[in-house]
Amino acid sequence: DAGVIQSPRHEVTEMGQEVTLRCKPISGHDYLFWYRQTMMRGLELLIYFNNNVPIDDSGMPEDRFSAKMPNASFSTLKIQPSEPRDSAVYFCASSFEGVYGYTFGSGTRLTVV
Amino acid sequence: SQKIEQNSEALNIQEGKTATLTCNYTNYSPAYLQWYRQDPGRGPVFLLLIRENEKEKRKERLKVTFDTTLKQSLFHITASQPADSATYLCALSESTNAGKSTFGDGTTLTVKP
Repeated sequence: DAGVIQSPRHEVTEMGQEVTLRCKPISGHDYLFWYRQTMMRGLELLIYFNNNVPIDDSGMPEDRFSAKMPNASFSTLKIQPSEPRDSAVYFCASSFEGVYGYTFGSGTRLTVV
Repeated sequence: SQKIEQNSEALNIQEGKTATLTCNYTNYSPAYLQWYRQDPGRGPVFLLLIRENEKEKRKERLKVTFDTTLKQSLFHITASQPADSATYLCALSESTNAGKSTFGDGTTLTVKP
């Protein structure tokens, strides 16, 4: 397996633009997580899915953020409109049954100017 | 409020010595605790998971202990090597929401030859 695949690796966008981050989890994993990492706040859980259903989105900063998982092999995190304070590295991770350790993707480094 | 604290931001040790990293928590009823390694520019990599009813777990040169009375986990790397230099993160999951893992800020370990 190629692991968790995220795209793009880097994204630079202007304030106010829509940004879509993509994730392909490991086949057979039934949990998918979106995390955000910054120097100030560390690694924060934004939302997680179980069997494609959002379970906990309490970490989503505000309504500008939305996440979907239309099927077991694909998820998106969308920011609309983007702001400079959204600049961070966004990680997607997947897990089997949520208890056997997470496999993280390489992350998307988002810069909003 | 809930808090996860990792002993220090940075730990420097000599090659061959044992590195001991600490993860303390407050106001959690943990179901299990995980340790991850993160190298610069990469996503965290899962190392070990220990459940709340387990006292100790080992994997090669790694050992994790979990004391729910002290609310503390210790992570040991024996016979440390320069290649062990990285940031190590602990993550807690609660029994009430086992799919949701909250990460500490990490400890950056440097092993000097």
